[in-house]
Amino acid sequence: AQKVTQAQTEISVVEKEDVTLDCVYETRDTTYYLFWYKQPPSGELVFLIRRNSFDEQNEISGRYSWNFQKSTSSFNFTITASQVVDSAVYFCALSLNNAGNMLTFGGGTRLMVKP
Amino acid sequence: EPEVTQTPSHQVTQMGQEVILRCVPISNHLYFYWYRQILGQKVEFLVSFYNNEISEKSEIFDDQFSVERPDGSNFTLKIRSTKLEDSAMYFCASSERQFQPQHFGDGTRLSIL
Repeated sequence: AQKVTQAQTEISVVEKEDVTLDCVYETRDTTYYLFWYKQPPSGELVFLIRRNSFDEQNEISGRYSWNFQKSTSSFNFTITASQVVDSAVYFCALSLNNAGNMLTFGGGTRLMVKP
Repeated sequence: EPEVTQTPSHQVTQMGQEVILRCVPISNHLYFYWYRQILGQKVEFLVSFYNNEISEKSEIFDDQFSVERPDGSNFTLKIRSTKLEDSAMYFCASSERQFQPQHFGDGTRLSIL
């Protein structure tokens, strides 16, 4: 069975600090997909990124970057120069090639960015 | 930008009553999903739907739950006899193809009294 662990339940930083949100996943499948979603205080779930298991290239999108390491089964998310608007719960999720499109979510990390 | 829309935003129902949650997925999407999030907890998969049938369901999705695509645009989740523990935020999502990103609606907060 698959599992996603986000060990950091809550992180608090001051604006402009860099912050990394950890995500560790477990699966025996060789083909899988990893995702990050943002849930702001308003409650919706906003898609941020998808990665497949064969693409270990790191990705950068503005202040956001993702580090995928198969060797440690991790898919960490870094926000550079954090802003108050980054305050949200961030979820990492996993879907398997042989389990339809079911997303298995981690428990989420609540990020609070203080001015 | 096209989005998934869910109605109502908040539903209050007496225990034992039936409730129907409605969703309009993004129009060119072929895969539809329901998830739930109990307050303060993680998001849990309920069911996926493709080509007018359920393709995957979780243990949570027992006989009291059903899904339907009654016409070309709506996708509904029915809970037949609600229980207190069904109180949660229910999210609908859709994706264009398999393994493409799932785009979520704003959710329906279901409160069972």
